[in-house]
Amino acid sequence: EVKLLESGGGLVQPGGSLRLSCAASGFTFADFYMSWIRQSPGKAPEWLSFIRNKANSYTTEYNPSVKGRFTISRDDTQNVLYLQMNTLRAEDTAIYYCAKHQGNWFAYWGQGTLVTVSS
Amino acid sequence: DVVMTQTPVSLSVSLGGQVSISCRSSQSLVHNNGNTYLSWYLQKPGQSPQLLIYKVSNRFSGISDRFSGSGSGTDFTLKISRVEPDDLGVYYCGQGTQYPLTFGSGTKLEIK
Repeated sequence: EVKLLESGGGLVQPGGSLRLSCAASGFTFADFYMSWIRQSPGKAPEWLSFIRNKANSYTTEYNPSVKGRFTISRDDTQNVLYLQMNTLRAEDTAIYYCAKHQGNWFAYWGQGTLVTVSS
Repeated sequence: DVVMTQTPVSLSVSLGGQVSISCRSSQSLVHNNGNTYLSWYLQKPGQSPQLLIYKVSNRFSGISDRFSGSGSGTDFTLKISRVEPDDLGVYYCGQGTQYPLTFGSGTKLEIK
């Protein structure tokens, strides 16, 4: 059974940083592309970033809305996906999900971790 | 960015009935490789989204055949037949053809 468990969310002040983690199990993590997606209350999901597997050189893609502030990475030895978030703003407040790709779509989503940016 | 427009915003249906949700993209979703990366997701209350349909019309593992997807180019439709109580929630279409990947604004399905 595929499981994705996000952690690392919480309350952070504007301008602060946070690193999210996503622990994966139930599949060969190293073989799959992974994404981070967020969702503000009552809004549609917003895709943030995507990382390919080792066979594709761990290349990444970013939504321009977060490019330069957020960095996606992965540790295939620990089956963990990361999202480093810097210079956080109030509008970054959302539930953050990690998702496993199966092609160019999101086959499995985690339960999410809440990030609140507020003073 | 590819803008995904869903209609209606909400709809109410009786149990056992049928509904259709429309999703229109601002650009063709046909990828250079010939595939069309349009997917549908359902977010049940209090849960994370779950994949229903990928590449326009392919049902994901374990998804009932009551759900069907169709369309091409820029116009796509999700049909739900014999609606059940567990179908309520918000339905999103999403495109995986062009970065940034984008989602529609959602259609809320309520049961009468």
